[in-house]
Amino acid sequence: DVKVTQSSRYLVKRTGEKVFLECVQDMDHENMFWYRQDPGLGLRLIYFSYDVKMKEKGDIPEGYSVSREKKERFSLILESASTNQTSMYLCASSLRWGTDTQYFGPGTRLTVL
Amino acid sequence: AQSVAQPEDQVNVAEGNPLTVKCTYSVSGNPYLFWYVQYPNRGLQFLLKYITGDNLVKGSYGFEAEFNKSQTSFHLKKPSALVSDSALYFCAVRDRNDYKLSFGAGTTVTVRA
Repeated sequence: DVKVTQSSRYLVKRTGEKVFLECVQDMDHENMFWYRQDPGLGLRLIYFSYDVKMKEKGDIPEGYSVSREKKERFSLILESASTNQTSMYLCASSLRWGTDTQYFGPGTRLTVL
Repeated sequence: AQSVAQPEDQVNVAEGNPLTVKCTYSVSGNPYLFWYVQYPNRGLQFLLKYITGDNLVKGSYGFEAEFNKSQTSFHLKKPSALVSDSALYFCAVRDRNDYKLSFGAGTTVTVRA
């Protein structure tokens, strides 16, 4: 089975702090994704990566950056956290483009005070 | 542009009754369609997908979905609901020529004993 893990289930940070969310997948998937989930809005894509050191902006990249130095690890960075970034963050991976399914991690619920 | 609509925020059914969760989509080309389920405080779990071929797709936990191209719909169904099916359900679509997966806002299903 595909396993996608995220470094924290719950995180509380202060406004202005730099925040790192880590995601690791163990199935040698090429593609990795970061979403945020908000009630009534579903999931919105922040960034995705189709290869090591490669990244593309999603629908809502403002206020976020990403890093993919190794194939199995994809990090989401909030350079200066703000209260409107309080949300559930979900990481996903898929083997390749085409028909492949995205598999999700358990999520990190981030609260910015 | 692509989008997904889940017209019902909530669906309530009695255990043993049929369950239907509605989804309509909009894409410029041919769609790949997915259903995911999210249990409380968990990530998304893949249920089923339509890629091509038979319009009726069978997935995990006894769920199935029917692709209807003329109505641009991909409704999720289960003949006999269980209390354990109570969860948040997401429909998602991807244009075959695009990289991005677009999610609906989600439908909360409650199955009462």
